[in-house]
Amino acid sequence: DIQMTQSPSTLSASVGDRVTITCRASQSIVTWLAWYQQKPGRAPNLLIYQASNLESGVPSRFSGSGSGTEFTLTISRLQPDDFATYYCQQYDSSPLTFGGGTKVEIK
Amino acid sequence: QVQLQESGPRLVRPSESLSLTCTVSGGSVSSGSDYWNWIRQPPGKGLQWIGYIFQSGGTTYNPSLKSRVTISLDTSKRQFSLKMTSMTPADTAVYYCARGLRFAPWGQGTLVTVSS
Repeated sequence: DIQMTQSPSTLSASVGDRVTITCRASQSIVTWLAWYQQKPGRAPNLLIYQASNLESGVPSRFSGSGSGTEFTLTISRLQPDDFATYYCQQYDSSPLTFGGGTKVEIK
Repeated sequence: QVQLQESGPRLVRPSESLSLTCTVSGGSVSSGSDYWNWIRQPPGKGLQWIGYIFQSGGTTYNPSLKSRVTISLDTSKRQFSLKMTSMTPADTAVYYCARGLRFAPWGQGTLVTVSS
């Protein structure tokens, strides 16, 4: 199985901050990586696919980068609606696997 | 636009089987090249992919659950289903259905509790 490791597990930030979350794969996944946002009691919502492609309807303050084994999700200017948990997920090979999540909290 | 909705029992007894159905609206389960997935999330924990069925009927399961899981497709009803056997309290989770290899959209999820 490909292990996905996210860091940090928790991040405290203020509205307007630039936030970066890292996801590392245990082997190369090329760019077969997605990022999701999940709010309490809700299903995850796709933000980014193929490492850097913004899903339709997702605000442009979200961006993704990386290839191979190291990837980042950046929120350029944190908004109140962005306080949530973020997950990365690889879809290079089965079993499809997720990172452990990064909770973005209000500082 | 495609929407997914899970249905099934909320309470399962230990050692019994779970059966859940995902109904797809706004699209077909047999067109294109879509994968139809089941994913679960124990309370307060992360996400685990259970498996998928391809529109042709082929399946792939998470090896950690493979011996207990069957996913099937009913194109006439626009549904796909999950059966998981030998349930234990460790299987208590919110169960989601989702489309694609990058999962979108998702159903709203259904909390399944395994308890006597």
